[in-house]
Amino acid sequence: QKEVEQNSGPLSVPEGAIASLNCTYSDRGSQSFFWYRQYSGKSPELIMSIYSNGDKEDGRFTAQLNKASQYVSLLIRDSQPSDSATYLCAVIPDPGSARQLTFGSGTQLTVLP
Amino acid sequence: DGGITQSPKYLFRKEGQNVTLSCEQNLNHDAMYWYRQDPGQGLRLIYYSQIVNDFQKGDIAEGYSVSREKKESFPLTVTSAQKNPTAFYLCASSQDRGTQETQYFGPGTRLLVL
Repeated sequence: QKEVEQNSGPLSVPEGAIASLNCTYSDRGSQSFFWYRQYSGKSPELIMSIYSNGDKEDGRFTAQLNKASQYVSLLIRDSQPSDSATYLCAVIPDPGSARQLTFGSGTQLTVLP
Repeated sequence: DGGITQSPKYLFRKEGQNVTLSCEQNLNHDAMYWYRQDPGQGLRLIYYSQIVNDFQKGDIAEGYSVSREKKESFPLTVTSAQKNPTAFYLCASSQDRGTQETQYFGPGTRLLVL
């Protein structure tokens, strides 16, 4: 089992719709969760970080964390063509494991005009 | 203008050659990281350093070496022992805040084998 798994995609949504990106992780002691956006040929840029159960909203982006289910998601409301990118989920495992930030393989999102 | 710079943007390596990728940050961050990204894949950790003159191996350190002589600099050498070096190399840094550290990335170096 991979440490961080994302829905493989690619995912296509029409402009104005809600895009839902999902991520599960295997280390139950994980405490920190991040979503990065990566445009083709570019480096990742941080979209959201979340550390506590529940929802965290920032503009059109909402991160949702459920530690009991080991699940973190990113919702993008009113999707725009400029949101078309690969979205990377990243998790810091249990500090006691001495593991570093671990990335999923990404979900490619296309927003259709 | 604060940030992380990487050079060169593109690098070509010949068989048997060692090449060095540069990473500099002026964010006064304690920790620095090197990742490798292959097409359609996530990022894999090569090496990281949490303090000057100290660094640790990541998941795929074989064929790579690093140094951390200055807080702002963390160069990566891809040695001839790395048989499949073609990839996108990303440097990152963070202010070490334990489990809430956030990593920020440089623009990357794309390495190609001639």
